[in-house]
Amino acid sequence: EVQLVESGGGLVQPGGSLRLSCAASGFTFSDRYMDWVRQAPGKGLEWVGRSRNKVNNYATEYAASVKGRFTVSRDDSKNSLYLQMNSLETEDTAVYYCTRGIYYSSGWYHDHWGQGTLVTVSS
Amino acid sequence: DIQLTQSPSFLSASVGDRVTITCRASQGISSYLAWYQQKPGKAPKLLIYAASTLQSGVPSRFSGSGSGTEFTLTISSLQPEDFATYYCQQVKSYPLTFGGGTKVEIK
Repeated sequence: EVQLVESGGGLVQPGGSLRLSCAASGFTFSDRYMDWVRQAPGKGLEWVGRSRNKVNNYATEYAASVKGRFTVSRDDSKNSLYLQMNSLETEDTAVYYCTRGIYYSSGWYHDHWGQGTLVTVSS
Repeated sequence: DIQLTQSPSFLSASVGDRVTITCRASQGISSYLAWYQQKPGKAPKLLIYAASTLQSGVPSRFSGSGSGTEFTLTISSLQPEDFATYYCQQVKSYPLTFGGGTKVEIK
């Protein structure tokens, strides 16, 4: 059974840092693209960033709103995905979801999602 | 960036109704489109990918169609468990983007 379990959320002051983790199990982690998607309270979904798989050299992509402040990384030996968040802003307050990618016809889609971890940026 | 516009943003329907949600892309995205269902307090769930491919385990009353810039999600006979918010997403190019969502409520 595929499982994605996020951790590391909490309350942080503006300008602060936080590191989210996602522990994956039930599949070959190194084969998959992995993403972070967030949802501000009462709002829609926003893609945050991606780590490609080992075959694609773990290359990353980011949304413009977080580029330069957030870093997606992974440790395949630990089946874990990370999101390092620096220079946090109140607009970063959201539930952060870890997602697994499924590949089909040149596209990668989010076929499994974790339960999410809440990040609150407030003074 | 590719913008996705969903319509309607809110829909009131009865059990057994046929429901159609539209997603329009600001530029052509071929068939690189997914649909997700989200219930309150829960993570989204993948329903459809590549515009029309049903994810494993998703009931056949859900279907997707379209290509290029216009896409639809259809629920052939709305069931009580289908009341939720639905999002489309394009994976054609970065940044990946989602539509604003369509909330389906009970009439």
